[in-house]
Amino acid sequence: RKEVEQDPGPFNVPEGATVAFNCTYSNSASQSFFWYRQDCRKEPKLLMSVYSSGNEDGRFTAQLNRASQYISLLIRDSKLSDSATYLCVVIPNAGGTSYGKLTFGQGTILTVHP
Amino acid sequence: DAGVTQSPTHLIKTRGQQVTLRCSPISGHKSVSWYQQVLGQGPQFIFQYYEKEERGRGNFPDRFSARQFPNYSSELNVNALLLGDSALYLCASSLAGQGRNGYTFGSGTRLTVV
Repeated sequence: RKEVEQDPGPFNVPEGATVAFNCTYSNSASQSFFWYRQDCRKEPKLLMSVYSSGNEDGRFTAQLNRASQYISLLIRDSKLSDSATYLCVVIPNAGGTSYGKLTFGQGTILTVHP
Repeated sequence: DAGVTQSPTHLIKTRGQQVTLRCSPISGHKSVSWYQQVLGQGPQFIFQYYEKEERGRGNFPDRFSARQFPNYSSELNVNALLLGDSALYLCASSLAGQGRNGYTFGSGTRLTVV
């Protein structure tokens, strides 16, 4: 089983649509969770951290369910500029050789069309 | 303020050669991590350095090595290049070792091995 698994996608949605991405992680001791966005042939950029209480940033809402080891990202009112690959990212645990290691899912491609 | 800078941006090497990639973290950041991203996949963790010491290592062969300098910049070395080493190599910096506030990535070095 992969450490971080995401919806395979790709997602192709019209402008204004609401789209949700899901992600599961295997290490129950994982401590930090993020969503990153990566544009074609560019570096990943932090979109938002994910907290147990859930958090919102404008049109973006992230949720964490530690019991189910599940992370989600909801994008409302999709814009053309939201087209990108969305990467679910987990920091597995506090020490050992995984110190500070970001573990990425394979990414989900989102295309928003007019 | 400059972000994370990486050099060179592109590189073409022949099988069996050696390569050195360079990274300068954001000013004040003491942690540098290296990732390899092959096409269609999420980045894979190679190394993390914090305060000039190796703190984490991913599942990569000994051909891969790195170091961090007193000014917190870092180099990634890859010996005996294989075709499969062709990838985007990303450097990420964070303020502290655990990076709970996320990591900032450089724009990467695109390595092609022929």
